[in-house]
Amino acid sequence: DSGVTQTPKHLITATGQRVTLRCSPRSGDLSVYWYQQSLDQGLQFLIQYYNGEERAKGNILERFSAQQFPDLHSELNLSSLELGDSALYFCASHGHDYGYTFGSGTRLTVV
Amino acid sequence: QKEVEQDPGPLSVPEGAIVSLNCTYSNSAFQYFMWYRQYSRKGPELLMYTYSSGNKEDGRFTAQVDKSSKYISLFIRDSQPSDSATYLCAMFTGGGNKLTFGTGTQLKVEL
Repeated sequence: DSGVTQTPKHLITATGQRVTLRCSPRSGDLSVYWYQQSLDQGLQFLIQYYNGEERAKGNILERFSAQQFPDLHSELNLSSLELGDSALYFCASHGHDYGYTFGSGTRLTVV
Repeated sequence: QKEVEQDPGPLSVPEGAIVSLNCTYSNSAFQYFMWYRQYSRKGPELLMYTYSSGNKEDGRFTAQVDKSSKYISLFIRDSQPSDSATYLCAMFTGGGNKLTFGTGTQLKVEL
């Protein structure tokens, strides 16, 4: 157990739908990073939050949004889903020791 | 040109072989370097973390960084079938900034 918790582990949904992925960072870590991993793209950075504030954005689509709550858990919202959004979505947290710890991911399948 | 280049493999070696995995990068601002192991698209697991140029050893694993050449390596000694996985290099500039990943090298260690 890495200490980073992601739910759900698997999600199957139809095109056009909206889903929410959840991440709880490792205890004491204030930063949360979201990554997308598809077969042909590798791990792509989506967005970073630090203590509730958005800190950096990567290649995140406008249909996607995220937030970090006061208890530091984060949610990634994906809307108007397309087949190409099928991927593994990982979150990671980062502490003062500069270690980036990843969760086990959410496998999203859009049908 | 990608910021981080990594040969995707696949790389197949016999059990007991020494494995060499490599990444090159173009952004001279990268200061921290990591190697992750990922089994069957599970969450990436941190193997090695280095900062300065030179070698760092941990058991059968040695990480090498050459900042002047913008080149990092991971060596695995006495490779085992359980080492069969995808190995991802990752790096960041510091200050809690996002990790930038290579595409990963798929390694298979055969009996």
